[in-house]
Amino acid sequence: GAGVSQSPSNKVTEKGKDVELRCDPISGHTALYWYRQSLGQGLEFLIYFQGNSAPDKSGLPSDRFSAERTGGSVSTLTIQRTQQEDSAVYLCASSLSPGGSPSKNIQYFGAGTRLSVL
Amino acid sequence: AQSVTQLDSQVPVFEEAPVELRCNYSSSVSVYLFWYVQYPNQGLQLLLKYLSGSTLVKGINGFEAEFNKSQTSFHLRKPSVHISDTAEYFCAVSDQQAGTALIFGKGTTLSVSS
Repeated sequence: GAGVSQSPSNKVTEKGKDVELRCDPISGHTALYWYRQSLGQGLEFLIYFQGNSAPDKSGLPSDRFSAERTGGSVSTLTIQRTQQEDSAVYLCASSLSPGGSPSKNIQYFGAGTRLSVL
Repeated sequence: AQSVTQLDSQVPVFEEAPVELRCNYSSSVSVYLFWYVQYPNQGLQLLLKYLSGSTLVKGINGFEAEFNKSQTSFHLRKPSVHISDTAEYFCAVSDQQAGTALIFGKGTTLSVSS
């Protein structure tokens, strides 16, 4: 596709419900990142996928957060038993191919999903 | 580990005035440096990057930044701003190891008025 696509653009949910956020990276990009943007914490890294390697989950804030990437393309971020502090904008980014030329490491971002937990 | 400090949370300027948004970083390893811009209700758009080579880098919309290794700075400049430059600007760093996450500053809100 032309850019990183995220859906839904907005999600309102009730505390305690599960939510799924979707990211479709730029075609041909092998690396995919999730970040969270919140008023108090700024932009924080959540998780990183590269090809078929085990993901880097070091940024996930709790075990209620998980993500998967199917077929090396589309990724889904799942938040279980949502809490009000999960309210934030969730941003997805992709890059062509980590390693090699530095330009291949440049991350391109989607428009984000704004999650509101009531 | 790296960190990024954007020294000004808000910068108000008048149209056609010059502007500088300051960014300092700390890192024990060599880094790549980026500036991203975020317009209201939109994602992050890459403004410019320093990967290697010339320390003065030019980006989109007339912005430029200079990498200063000794001062660990990467300040963003524009000689004459427009109303349309009103947005939030983020400085970010990543180490040069492949596939590492970006570390962002807290952002600077640039407000351009006529």
